[in-house]
Amino acid sequence: GESVGLHLPTLSVQEGDNSIINCAYSNSASDYFIWYKQESGKGPQFIIDIRSNMDKRQGQRVTVLLNKTVKHLSLQIAATQPGDSAVYFCAENIGSPDKLIFGTGTRLQVFP
Amino acid sequence: DTEVTQTPKHLVMGMTNKKSLKCEQHMGHRAMYWYKQKAKKPPELMFVYSYEKLSINESVPSRFSPECPNSSLLNLHLHALQPEDSALYLCASSQEGGGSQPQHFGDGTRLSIL
Repeated sequence: GESVGLHLPTLSVQEGDNSIINCAYSNSASDYFIWYKQESGKGPQFIIDIRSNMDKRQGQRVTVLLNKTVKHLSLQIAATQPGDSAVYFCAENIGSPDKLIFGTGTRLQVFP
Repeated sequence: DTEVTQTPKHLVMGMTNKKSLKCEQHMGHRAMYWYKQKAKKPPELMFVYSYEKLSINESVPSRFSPECPNSSLLNLHLHALQPEDSALYLCASSQEGGGSQPQHFGDGTRLSIL
């Protein structure tokens, strides 16, 4: 079936290092992808998005890369900070225009 | 602070109770969503409203009844819930239901069914 999955359930990094969170998707028809950050006790917070006609998009300290050939999405966080500690979800828009499917999530832990 | 406001933040109810969850946004968004999130799991879509009309119902049991009184408000009426319905209920909104626009989430209502 269609699914959005993540390779690593938990990622531990040292403060100041760069983080890379990966995501695989299976629906080649997906044309829009979003990364969300969810802190404990809060709802998912929009980080960055990318459309399928792009390979890369940059924000403040974050970069999303899309490889349609292998159906892979990644989120790169530069100079990771303690405040980046959270669960990160990728999500894809598939089929029905309003339907967003979330990946299983990766917990990012930042150590001093 | 989120621009999607959900109330209450916490709710404890018995299986015979009737309660409602409320969601409000003032961003002029025309699409609103309800999601259910169990612990350590991703959010799962329940309902989508587009221009105040229900456009998607993900085969949700009838004990959950959504309502969209106007473009800024979204309710979820609860009746005869089961213990397995205990979860975080998230509301989201987006500019339109066209797909290629981010959904913005509230902080949810944590629901516990006794």
